[in-house]
Amino acid sequence: AQSVTQLDSQVPVFEEAPVELRCNYSSSVSVYLFWYVQYPNQGLQLLLKYLSGSTLVKGINGFEAEFNKSQTSFHLRKPSVHISDTAEYFCAVSVANAGNNRKLIWGLGTSLAVNP
Amino acid sequence: DVKVTQSSRYLVKRTGEKVFLECVQDMDHENMFWYRQDPGLGLRLIYFSYDVKMKEKGDIPEGYSVSREKKERFSLILESASTNQTSMYLCAARTGVGYTFGSGTRLTVV
Repeated sequence: AQSVTQLDSQVPVFEEAPVELRCNYSSSVSVYLFWYVQYPNQGLQLLLKYLSGSTLVKGINGFEAEFNKSQTSFHLRKPSVHISDTAEYFCAVSVANAGNNRKLIWGLGTSLAVNP
Repeated sequence: DVKVTQSSRYLVKRTGEKVFLECVQDMDHENMFWYRQDPGLGLRLIYFSYDVKMKEKGDIPEGYSVSREKKERFSLILESASTNQTSMYLCAARTGVGYTFGSGTRLTVV
């Protein structure tokens, strides 16, 4: 079965430090990859996505992610975090489904806590 | 940009009540989804719809139903609310290959 694993449920980090949030997926078919962010009591907002082409994808708020097909990973990174980056981060994989549709499979989320 | 609007941010309902959660999107997208989000369980798909009057069960449809009479509106219905349906409910529309989410409705059933 297809699945998405976010390897860390919680990541505490100090302000201005670098951070990496890890995401691995299992799928044997072509996939699209996403990272979403959720601030407290908000909906989800798209950070970045990988569809094809360059494996290094840049998103909003200074985040980037690298698609590694051989390791089936899509880790999210930021070189210097701010207090305002404190949020829940979700990795998701879109895989082809029945008919001409696609199914989105979600990781359980990583809670990033940026401390002063 | 696509906008997905959920009509209520916070709701408190009593056990046994029939509850309607409304979601509207403004860009004529066909695919719409309802998720619930609980700590430690991530996002779980309740129902989705590929077009008007079409609906498909997701991973946890029990206790819920949906209505899609118009393309822009996708309603989630709790036929008889129970305390274990206390949760954050998120509506989404598929926009290209990604999804756009509403702000969520935090439902408390007492």
